[in-house]
This record gives sequence, structure tokens and C-alpha cells, in this order.
Amino acid sequence: SQELEQSPQSLIVQEGKNLTINCTSSKTLYGLYWYKQKYGEGLIFLMMLQKGGEEKSHEKITAKLDEKKQQSSLHITASQPSHAGIYLCGAGPPRYGGATNKLIFGTGTLLAVQP
Amino acid sequence: DAGVTQSPTHLIKTRGQHVTLRCSPISGHKSVSWYQQVLGQGPQFIFQYYEKEERGRGNFPDRFSARQFPNYSSELNVNALLLGDSALYLCASSFFSGGAETDTQYFGPGTRLTVL
Repeated sequence: SQELEQSPQSLIVQEGKNLTINCTSSKTLYGLYWYKQKYGEGLIFLMMLQKGGEEKSHEKITAKLDEKKQQSSLHITASQPSHAGIYLCGAGPPRYGGATNKLIFGTGTLLAVQP
Repeated sequence: DAGVTQSPTHLIKTRGQHVTLRCSPISGHKSVSWYQQVLGQGPQFIFQYYEKEERGRGNFPDRFSARQFPNYSSELNVNALLLGDSALYLCASSFFSGGAETDTQYFGPGTRLTVL
């Protein structure tokens, strides 16, 4: 079965600093989804990556999928207190259009931004 | 447009009781999935329903069951509650039309279940 490992598990940065969160899969990624979660709340969809070498950006957040499609990174530029939360990566199924689109999640990265 | 809604937001039950959690998907989405998130872990897949049929089931005991209604809303039922069932239960909806982007799942705020 596929497993996702996220690093670091937790991160404390000063406001204005850049940071990177990594997500490594035990198998090939066919659809990689990044979500943000405020403690005890639902998941907010950030970005989806599918192609090897793909990179997407939204505001100050950039996500990349490596060429081999086994690792993704999430980079935040000039962090703000509003970026604080838990970041989760989720892997979609090997084949879309199949029986299910269930996601397998990593354990998450807890980000704190100090003003 | 309204996002995924879940009810109730919080619930306290005692061991052995049963519970029903409810979810309404985003308008136009025909697939609903349920996930369990224990504190400090990522969400674990429980069920997926599409057009009222079960499309997937995670590694959960038979005490867990679900169904989807003609309006695409869904219920998750858990019988004979155990202390270990205490968790945040998340509902997600999607189009489920065969593409990575269209299959993006959007999550509700969750139901926090505490079993005493």
C-alpha cells in the first residue's frame, strides 16, 4: 500500500521568512493534492499536481512535483501569521476513472509563524 | 456558493451508543467520501459513495456504515461506539468524473466526536 511521509513534522518560523515542506511517496504519484487545515477544522484545498516537473503557484505558495513523481514540495515565500496551520499532502488513485478517488494522506506538517 | 456542510459540529457519546453524522455536498457534486482523523494524524479513508452506490471502503470494522440519498447527501453511522472512535469525522465531495482535477475533493468543517 502507498505511504506518504511529510517533513518536517513541525516548523516554527519568524514572519517574513521562507519555508519548504516536503512530501515523499513510497509509490508513483498520479495526482498529488495539498491541503491546509486549521486545528480541529476542515481541510482547505490549495493545489493539485499531476505531471512530472509540474509547478503551480497561488499567492505566496508554490508547489512542485518532481520529475520522477515520487516527491512534492510546498514552498511559502515571506511567511505571514495567516499561513499558520497544518499542511497535508494527499495522493490520489493510480487510475482516474476507476472505482474510487480516495485519498491517502501524509501525517501533516504543523506550521507556526511568529510575528 | 455553499461549500460542504456537516452536522452536528460536536457530539459527545458514551461507549456502546450509536451515532449518525450528516453531510451535504457542494451543489453539482455527486460523490461523497468520509474520512476519520485522529489527533496528530492525517485523515483515513472510510467510505466513498457515488450515485447512491458504495465505490470504496477503507479498513474499518462493520460497525461503520454509510448511505447516500437521492439528493446526494450522505449519512455515516457508527454502532457500538468505542473510546478509539473519538476523532474528527470529515466529509468530502467531488464531481468524480474521471480526471485528477475534476476529482479534487472539497472538505467540510468536520464533526468532532468524543466517546466517553
